[in-house]
Amino acid sequence: AQSVTQPDIHITVSEGASLELRCNYSYGATPYLFWYVQSPGQGLQLLLKYFSGDTLVQGIKGFEAEFKRSQSSFNLRKPSVHWSDAAEYFCAVRMDSSYKLIFGSGTRLLVRP
Amino acid sequence: ETGVTQTPRHLVMGMTNKKSLKCEQHLGHNAMYWYKQSAKKPLELMFVYSLEERVENNSVPSRFSPECPNSSHLFLHLHTLQPEDSALYLCASSQDRWRGGQETQYFGPGTRLLVL
Repeated sequence: AQSVTQPDIHITVSEGASLELRCNYSYGATPYLFWYVQSPGQGLQLLLKYFSGDTLVQGIKGFEAEFKRSQSSFNLRKPSVHWSDAAEYFCAVRMDSSYKLIFGSGTRLLVRP
Repeated sequence: ETGVTQTPRHLVMGMTNKKSLKCEQHLGHNAMYWYKQSAKKPLELMFVYSLEERVENNSVPSRFSPECPNSSHLFLHLHTLQPEDSALYLCASSQDRWRGGQETQYFGPGTRLLVL
């Protein structure tokens, strides 16, 4: 069965430091890949997505993610974190011709001043 | 973002009450979804509607009853819920599930439900 793993439940970084959130998926073919962010009390906001083409994708708020087929990974990165980035981040995958998004369990990001 | 709105934002109900959650999308999409987000569990897909037809019921108990009167509106009718149904209920929409892979789901802010 398809699955998504976000191995880090919590991550704490200092403001201005770089960030990488890990995401690994289990699926036989290339899935469609998404990162969403959820601020406290809010819904999910789409940060970026990968469907095909360039494996490095740019998103909103200065985030980027890189698809690595050999590692079945789609890690999210940001070169310099801002205090407003504190939130929960969800990686999700979807198979071709399927409506079903499969979510990871999320990584909560804390930002130290 | 105001593309997908949900009301109410917060709801407290007793186990014998009947209430409804409402979702409205202003994106011109044709597919709508209900998700449940519980503490310590990944988001769970509950229902999918495409062009007002229910296309997925993900083993959801019958005390949850969805309704999609048109492609812009989606309801979740609740009755005789249990305390374990307390969660954040998220609505989402996408262009059209029949377009296959390159679909993106856009989420509303959610309704925080507490069942006493």
